[in-house]
Amino acid sequence: KNQVEQSPQSLIILEGKNCTLQCNYTVSPFSNLRWYKQDTGRGPVSLTIMTFSENTKSNGRYTATLDADTKQSSLHITASQLSDSASYICVVGAGNNRKLIWGLGTSLAVNP
Amino acid sequence: GAGVSQSPSNKVTEKGKDVELRCDPISGHTALYWYRQSLGQGLEFLIYFQGNSAPDKSGLPSDRFSAERTGGSVSTLTIQRTQQEDSAVYLCASSPQWGGELFFGEGSRLTVL
Repeated sequence: KNQVEQSPQSLIILEGKNCTLQCNYTVSPFSNLRWYKQDTGRGPVSLTIMTFSENTKSNGRYTATLDADTKQSSLHITASQLSDSASYICVVGAGNNRKLIWGLGTSLAVNP
Repeated sequence: GAGVSQSPSNKVTEKGKDVELRCDPISGHTALYWYRQSLGQGLEFLIYFQGNSAPDKSGLPSDRFSAERTGGSVSTLTIQRTQQEDSAVYLCASSPQWGGELFFGEGSRLTVL
């Protein structure tokens, strides 16, 4: 069964600190992996999209990694800001039709 | 507009009534998705349109749910005889091509009393 699991479920950090969010997937065949940021009450916004051949991809203070062998991805946030408080969702594209398998997200709270 | 536009942003209805939710995708985007997100839950896929191809309706939870996309642009999601469990945020997303990056609207929050 195609599944995407994220950890931790929630996380609280202090402003300025770094953090890493994890995503494990059992999706086959793999097409791509995406990270989205969803602010409360808003629609998700794309952070990164990675294909099989990409190991790392950055978007400002966000860096995503992908290990296709172990089927794991991480999202690292550097020098966190209060505006980083949001839900971070890992999404894996599956198969030729690129059906998207959504994780439940990690809820991040950045406190002053 | 520059982004995906959804309306209404909020809808409160009585159980048993029909509702229509509208999505205006980004101009030129061929792919359009509808998702549902219940409070504190992940996104649940409902339906997907790609160009002139037959839509993927595999996520629609019951025959009370239907959607259409006219002229390859605007889409309407219709829920007939609404139930309290239909209460959720309904999100629309469009993409410039099949399998491409998704751009989401702000959602339509439906509350069924």
